[in-house]
Amino acid sequence: AQSVTQLDSQVPVFEEAPVELRCNYSSSVSVYLFWYVQYPNQGLQLLLKYLSGSTLVESINGFEAEFNKSQTSFHLRKPSVHISDTAEYFCAVNTGFQKLVFGTGTRLLVSP
Amino acid sequence: DAGVTQSPTHLIKTRGQHVTLRCSPISGHKSVSWYQQVLGQGPQFIFQYYEKEERGRGNFPDRFSARQFPNYSSELNVNALLLGDSALYLCASSTEQGAWGYTFGSGTRLTVV
Repeated sequence: AQSVTQLDSQVPVFEEAPVELRCNYSSSVSVYLFWYVQYPNQGLQLLLKYLSGSTLVESINGFEAEFNKSQTSFHLRKPSVHISDTAEYFCAVNTGFQKLVFGTGTRLLVSP
Repeated sequence: DAGVTQSPTHLIKTRGQHVTLRCSPISGHKSVSWYQQVLGQGPQFIFQYYEKEERGRGNFPDRFSARQFPNYSSELNVNALLLGDSALYLCASSTEQGAWGYTFGSGTRLTVV
């Protein structure tokens, strides 16, 4: 069975600093990987996904994540964060059908 | 185009009662999935329906049931509510059966007292 581990429950960072949110997964088969963002009192928004091809995927708002099969990781990075990036970030894995398996989330707190 | 629409946005129920949550998918999407997000945790898969048939079920008791209608909208029903059912219930729709193309709604916040 697949599982996802988000190693940090909370990551505080100052505005314009770089950030990395860590995600490791376990699965015995090929996986698809996702990062979702959740703002307070809202649903989930897809940030980026890895399905195949280039192991480095990017989002339109400056986030990127790299699929590392040997490390079974899919860490999320941003070189310079903004106050508006404050949110909960969820890593998820899917083996092709039906369901996503989510991690427990990482709360990114950006302060001035 | 409208996104995934869920109703109601919030509701409060008493233990033992029944609740029905509703979801309207994006136009053209034939798959609807339901997730439960307990406070402080990641979402947990409850059901997936594709072309009006159940295609997947998570590890939830039989008190949870769902259905999909001919217009692809869906209902999630929970009977005999427990305090532990308090959560944000998320609906996601996609064009295909696979979970790689999900769009989530804003959810229904259920509080059981």
